[in-house]
Amino acid sequence: AQSVTQLGSHVSVSEGALVLLRCNYSSSVPPYLFWYVQYPNQGLQLLLKYTSAATLVKGINGFEAEFKKSETSFHLTKPSAHMSDAAEYFCAVRTGANSKLTFGKGITLSVRP
Amino acid sequence: KAGVTQTPRYLIKTRGQQVTLSCSPISGHRSVSWYQQTPGQGLQFLFEYFSETQRNKGNFPGRFSGRQFSNSRSEMNVSTLELGDSALYLCASSLGIAGEGGQETQYFGPGTRLLVL
Repeated sequence: AQSVTQLGSHVSVSEGALVLLRCNYSSSVPPYLFWYVQYPNQGLQLLLKYTSAATLVKGINGFEAEFKKSETSFHLTKPSAHMSDAAEYFCAVRTGANSKLTFGKGITLSVRP
Repeated sequence: KAGVTQTPRYLIKTRGQQVTLSCSPISGHRSVSWYQQTPGQGLQFLFEYFSETQRNKGNFPGRFSGRQFSNSRSEMNVSTLELGDSALYLCASSLGIAGEGGQETQYFGPGTRLLVL
């Protein structure tokens, strides 16, 4: 079975500070990992995805994530937070021939001026 | 290219009624998946359709059903609504299915917010 753990439900950073959102996965087979962002009253927008091509993945809006198999992690980072980054962020995993995405509980990111 | 569209965006129903939600995938996408999002349970997978066939189903009661048409549009139906069915229902489309070399990345619509009174 596959699962995702996102530690903490809320992260607050100052504008211009580093953003680090943690995601750990559990999978018995090589995973495909995704980060999605959800703005209020909207659907999910794909930020980036890991599909085994490269361990450091760059996404939209300056976000990137690094796949670390030894740590079973796929943490999302952004060097400098912007007010517009305030949203809820979801990490998701899928494995093998199953298209089903399993999501973490999500992390709400707040950005202080 | 237009994104995934879902109709209606908002819906209010009463217990015992049934509801049908619609999803139009991105042009050329053949797979549609549905998810339920609630504050308590988070995002949960409902089912996946590809070429008018249900490929995968989540752990939801039989009151939840869906179908896909030849143009890849999909509908989901919930019968005998319960208060606990109040949620944001999200549809996602992908070019293909898992195992097709990267075509399975899912793109989400804005969702239909269902309130059951």
